[in-house]
Amino acid sequence: NAGVMQNPRHLVRRRGQEARLRCSPMKGHSHVYWYRQLPEEGLKFMVYLQKENIIDESGMPKERFSAEFPKEGPSILRIQQVVRGDSAAYFCASSPQPNDGTGANVLTFGAGSRLTVL
Amino acid sequence: DAKTTQPNSMESNEEEPVHLPCNHSTISGTDYIHWYRQLPSQGPEYVIHGLTSNVNNRMASLAIAEDRKSSTLILHRATLRDAAVYYCILNTGTYKYIFGTGTRLKVLA
Repeated sequence: NAGVMQNPRHLVRRRGQEARLRCSPMKGHSHVYWYRQLPEEGLKFMVYLQKENIIDESGMPKERFSAEFPKEGPSILRIQQVVRGDSAAYFCASSPQPNDGTGANVLTFGAGSRLTVL
Repeated sequence: DAKTTQPNSMESNEEEPVHLPCNHSTISGTDYIHWYRQLPSQGPEYVIHGLTSNVNNRMASLAIAEDRKSSTLILHRATLRDAAVYYCILNTGTYKYIFGTGTRLKVLA
């Protein structure tokens, strides 16, 4: 049973280009979360999606960033017109059920996509 | 959101027990205590979680203080593969985990 699959593992872009990061959740999981980790920092929540729905994007920068989780296919985090400050590791996580409000929800993370902006 | 405080780094000898502390003095009654670890160049990996009682699983044990203001992750026999950053996180019933900078565990052969 494959875990959370992210690709590409490494992506290099020049300033102004677009970056697309893909995430396939674990089999049977329909809830996807994206986190960003800047160098030497902890992970920070970006967005929570269910199939065809964005549930919470409060951690997403207001401009240039977008996320989707279509009915078919992986979740995609899209960064337009990348800048050097976007260089980071982007992690996707999934869970099989929605947050039940008890605090017991456990996330399974992928290995991450490391974006370098030249 | 309730915060946690962890030492920046710790060292342990291989095959010895490791006790990783975490302070969470502002924890609320419904907050679960979660531990994740992140190996180099990997995503976080779930280790263990608990609410009030001590918990054991195949990876580790979690000892929770009676007043719940602190907890300790216990690795019973550290191996070189346990070298990682360990994050103590309070899950307040949302999916927005707040990761601090964690404790970087170094295991000495």
